[in-house]
Amino acid sequence: DTAVSQTPKYLVTQMGNDKSIKCEQNLGHDTMYWYKQDSKKFLKIMFSYNNKELIINETVPNRFSPKSPDKAHLNLHINSLELGDSAVYFCASSQDWGGFGTQYFGPGTRLLVL
Amino acid sequence: KQEVTQIPAALSVPEGENLVLNCSFTDSAIYNLQWFRQDPGKGLTSLLLIQSSQREQTSGRLNASLDKSSGRSTLYIAASQPGDSATYLCAVRPSNTGKLIFGQGTTLQVKP
Repeated sequence: DTAVSQTPKYLVTQMGNDKSIKCEQNLGHDTMYWYKQDSKKFLKIMFSYNNKELIINETVPNRFSPKSPDKAHLNLHINSLELGDSAVYFCASSQDWGGFGTQYFGPGTRLLVL
Repeated sequence: KQEVTQIPAALSVPEGENLVLNCSFTDSAIYNLQWFRQDPGKGLTSLLLIQSSQREQTSGRLNASLDKSSGRSTLYIAASQPGDSATYLCAVRPSNTGKLIFGQGTTLQVKP
């Protein structure tokens, strides 16, 4: 069973389009995260939700809007896609916010903006 | 501002060698430190998690140490195998925050 899953795995789209990435975890965790891995493989946090409440919102353009319909799901919607948005987006989850547990990562969504 | 640095950026060793990967961080106020493995085109797999109060953790051929006061961690891999080839990422969890701050990774190649 996949603990943290993401869809789609690959996403190729044109500049200016709007797209969404979905994430689901079946670990019963309270906290979920979105990270971005750029072309240099550097991973950086974007957002975090704890029990459907936004906890972390790093310096991310407001074209990116996360939504958490319930504890097990965290989606990422991106408006007006730009070339620089091309990256791998990872979803992760952990037992609770500010706790001591491991973060579990999904397989990533590879976004290419043309 | 917390910064995490990993040295070396890349490492190539013959099979069977013992090796050490290094991670340093600028702010010692951390909850824990986590080592991950990333295979090409894949997600991250957690290898070891060391809480701030711990000095080391072991799992099989892997041993991770933490010296919080000096801002350093090492990942020791014993008797390396070609299957160990991957990128190894170090990440710290600053106190009072759930986010992880990652280093840029060490890409390891173990040659048969």
